[in-house]
Amino acid sequence: KAGVTQTPRYLIKTRGQQVTLSCSPISGHRSVSWYQQTPGQGLQFLFEYFSETQRNKGNFPGRFSGRQFSNSRSEMNVSTLELGDSALYLCASSLPADYGYTFGSGTRLTVV
Amino acid sequence: QQPVQSPQAVILREGEDAVINCSSSKALYSVHWYRQKHGEAPVFLMILLKGGEQKGHDKISASFNEKKQQSSLYLTASQLSYSGTYFCGTGGGADGLTFGKGTHLIIQP
Repeated sequence: KAGVTQTPRYLIKTRGQQVTLSCSPISGHRSVSWYQQTPGQGLQFLFEYFSETQRNKGNFPGRFSGRQFSNSRSEMNVSTLELGDSALYLCASSLPADYGYTFGSGTRLTVV
Repeated sequence: QQPVQSPQAVILREGEDAVINCSSSKALYSVHWYRQKHGEAPVFLMILLKGGEQKGHDKISASFNEKKQQSSLYLTASQLSYSGTYFCGTGGGADGLTFGKGTHLIIQP
């Protein structure tokens, strides 16, 4: 079965711009969560969506936002990009909480 | 609260055993384990639930001590393919996972 698909794989943006990343979960998975991975901070939770509702958000500024559509696909948006937003952004989908997460290959965002 | 993993790094010869530990200051309902190879996404290995249930990889074992809020991942007879960074994660569901900083495992031939 198809895995979690993230697009695009790579992005280069300029400071001040905004960016939208996309995630298509495994069919049947209604929970989608997003993580930021950097060498210094490791894997950090951004937010989690279930049935189009954001159930929780990590400790990130309001410039980071997301949404989930009725087909469970999710997008995250980062506005007014800063150099420190350069990171690998990972999306993960799962069945209910007692199951493991399947991660996508990520979107590597570079802000210059 | 981020779980603490130990050791930070370990180098083994093929066939040797390794134990990776994960401890939390918060009461745990479940612990997840993932492995990430360089340039790739984290891959689910195992989830351990309060009460003793485990779901995951056939060839990897783990323990979960609810009282001590600790989990350990046991890699026996390590293979070259076991190399990578191992992360434990706590929480899950609506709260998302809080990951430890990772344990770098290098298996040498």
